[in-house]
Amino acid sequence: DTEVTQTPKHLVMGMTNKKSLKCEQHMGHRAMYWYKQKAKKPPELMFVYSYEKLSINESVPSRFSPECPNSSLLNLHLHALQPEDSALYLCASSQDENEQFFGPGTRLTVL
Amino acid sequence: SQQGEEDPQALSIQEGENATMNCSYKTSINNLQWYRQNSGRGLVHLILIRSNEREKHSGRLRVTLDTSKKSSSLLITASRAADTASYFCATDATSGTYKYIFGTGTRLKVLA
Repeated sequence: DTEVTQTPKHLVMGMTNKKSLKCEQHMGHRAMYWYKQKAKKPPELMFVYSYEKLSINESVPSRFSPECPNSSLLNLHLHALQPEDSALYLCASSQDENEQFFGPGTRLTVL
Repeated sequence: SQQGEEDPQALSIQEGENATMNCSYKTSINNLQWYRQNSGRGLVHLILIRSNEREKHSGRLRVTLDTSKKSSSLLITASRAADTASYFCATDATSGTYKYIFGTGTRLKVLA
């Protein structure tokens, strides 16, 4: 299984809502990533988990809260988001510092 | 901040022609990767080239790396309409940290 899955595919939420994005991989990869991508821009790294521990937080606002319950799962908890947080959120995984496998993304709209 | 700048920003060619896109980066790297992204979808890994390599091939793809100039190029030969996508280079900003920074991207359109 060489697939990274993400749910939901689309999410619309108000600024007072709490929601979560989910990501799953069964390739045994030890690194998992969250990226944010705005239209016509490159992906921007948000968080990296290595061996289920948060290793990189790119100064992301606390309204984004990552969680890695086990080596196959990665969540991104969202709370009190702003309209400018609307974007495509991409999850990826990799084995060591090699190619990253990306999920299809969650298209988030904050109203 | 962006590690990589790509040019051109956009490229439109006829099917069968070759497409070349370039990536420049700022700091020393261990490896450089190229990815493709179809509109609004996840990225697909194309090729990885290590800092001690100068050229690498994969099917219709040819990647070169010039560490002295801090630049890389991706050549797609005999392009097809299905190659229409955005192409990004990604560099490891710091070894051992899994921190990859993506370049600004090139939007390629191949006309049938």
